[in-house]
Amino acid sequence: DAGITQSPRHKVTETGTPVTLRCHQTENHRYMYWYRQDPGHGLRLIHYSYGVKDTDKGEVSDGYSVSRSKTEDFLLTLESATSSQTSVYFCAISDPLRQQETQYFGPGTRLLVL
Amino acid sequence: AQTVTQSQPEMSVQEAETVTLSCTYDTSESNYYLFWYKQPPSRQMILVIRQEAYKQQNATENRFSVNFQKAAKSFSLKISDSQLGDTAMYFCAFIFYNNNDMRFGAGTRLTVKP
Repeated sequence: DAGITQSPRHKVTETGTPVTLRCHQTENHRYMYWYRQDPGHGLRLIHYSYGVKDTDKGEVSDGYSVSRSKTEDFLLTLESATSSQTSVYFCAISDPLRQQETQYFGPGTRLLVL
Repeated sequence: AQTVTQSQPEMSVQEAETVTLSCTYDTSESNYYLFWYKQPPSRQMILVIRQEAYKQQNATENRFSVNFQKAAKSFSLKISDSQLGDTAMYFCAFIFYNNNDMRFGAGTRLTVKP
């Protein structure tokens, strides 16, 4: 398994509160991604990073922000959580020197927004 | 934007038998990659198999093989000698060459029966 951890693994929060999810990798991969998984939709890309301080939006980026201050850490922030952001969130990594297009996933974080 | 369609929401197979999961995709590009990921009840996303679109030869990984029909934009997964541990959600995924936005199908839930 790729060395990817996510924290927390489960979180319950209330509408309007800020939430930060953390992804940590030990593989020194250049690219990191955040996806959300919802029934009937598979996984959808929220944001990705192609290097320290370099990020870009994905398909469903509204309501989310990200930051990457170190190669190994990629943070996803919900500034003001809404019930529509209840989902399972996956972090993934890839590297251009190791089949860039192949992504390896973390264990996921289940978020419930009440 | 490319789309990925998995037309079988659920399937079941007897242990030791063979099952085929279907996937079609829509793109006008010629350079891309296709993947099958497995998600067991643990929720971990596990890479099963990878196919480069420029390769005519179908990829195989032990009991897993694909039937890649580029003209028909079809990418099916065959699981031979099904095992109870193959019970999982299976996701078909697509990504363009030198791109970071992986698109997933909605998934097929496979149950292997003893």
